[in-house]
Amino acid sequence: EVVMTQSPATLSVSPGERATLSCRASQSVSSNLAWYQQRPGQAPRLLIYGSSTRATGIPAKFSGSGSGTEFTLTISSLQSEDFAVYFCQQYNDWPRTFGQGTQVEIK
Amino acid sequence: QLQLQESGPGLVKPSETLSLTCTVSGGSISSRSYYWGWIRQPPGKGLQWIGSIYNSGSTYDNPSLSSRVTISVDTSKNQFSLKLSSVTAADTAVYYCARHIYCSGSSCYTGGGYMDVWGKGTTVTVSS
Repeated sequence: EVVMTQSPATLSVSPGERATLSCRASQSVSSNLAWYQQRPGQAPRLLIYGSSTRATGIPAKFSGSGSGTEFTLTISSLQSEDFAVYFCQQYNDWPRTFGQGTQVEIK
Repeated sequence: QLQLQESGPGLVKPSETLSLTCTVSGGSISSRSYYWGWIRQPPGKGLQWIGSIYNSGSTYDNPSLSSRVTISVDTSKNQFSLKLSSVTAADTAVYYCARHIYCSGSSCYTGGGYMDVWGKGTTVTVSS
C-alpha cells in the first residue's frame, strides 16, 4: 500500500502567520491527493482535492500544491479556527491511505 | 443539504461482530456519482479507510481488514451498513461514514476517490 508521511507532526504557529505542511507518498500518486481538516471532537472536513483544488466553501487562505510524491498545504494568516489537525489522503491506489496528521497549534 | 448519520451499539464484546448503519438524508444513495464508505479513527490516532460500496452493491475494502469486513447497501432505506467480525480491543475507534466522489473532472475512481461529506462519527468500544 502507499504510505503517506506527513511532516512535521506538530507545527507551532502564531496567529496571523503562515503555516506550511508537507505530505510525502511512498510512490507516485499523480495529483490524486486530498487534504482534510479535523477540529477537536469533529469529523474531518474536505479542504483540497486533486492536490490543489479547493472544495466548496473553503476560503482562499488554504492552498495546495504538488504532484507525484511531494505535496504541500499552505494556510495563510492563521486564525483561531485554523488550529486543528490536518490529514492528507491519496486516492490513486488501493487501499486509500491517509497520512498520520499534522497538528497545527498556537505558538 | 446532504447529511450522513451513523448509528449502532457503542459497546461490543471481544470476538463478537460490530454492526453500524449510515443513514443518508438530503440526497439519494442511488446517485451514480458517488460511492459510500467507512473510515475509522482509533483514540488519539490517525484515519484508516475501511471500505466502500456503490449503489449496485459493488464493494471495495482494505486488505488489512477484508477478511472481517462486510459492507452492504439498502437503497430502499437510503442506508448502507458495516459489519466487522471477531473484534478485539484494537477495533475500538470512532467510526465515520462518508460520501466518496466517483468522478472528478475527467477522472473516475472505481471504489471512490476523496470523501466530500462525512457523518459526525460514532464511538465504538470493544470491551467485555
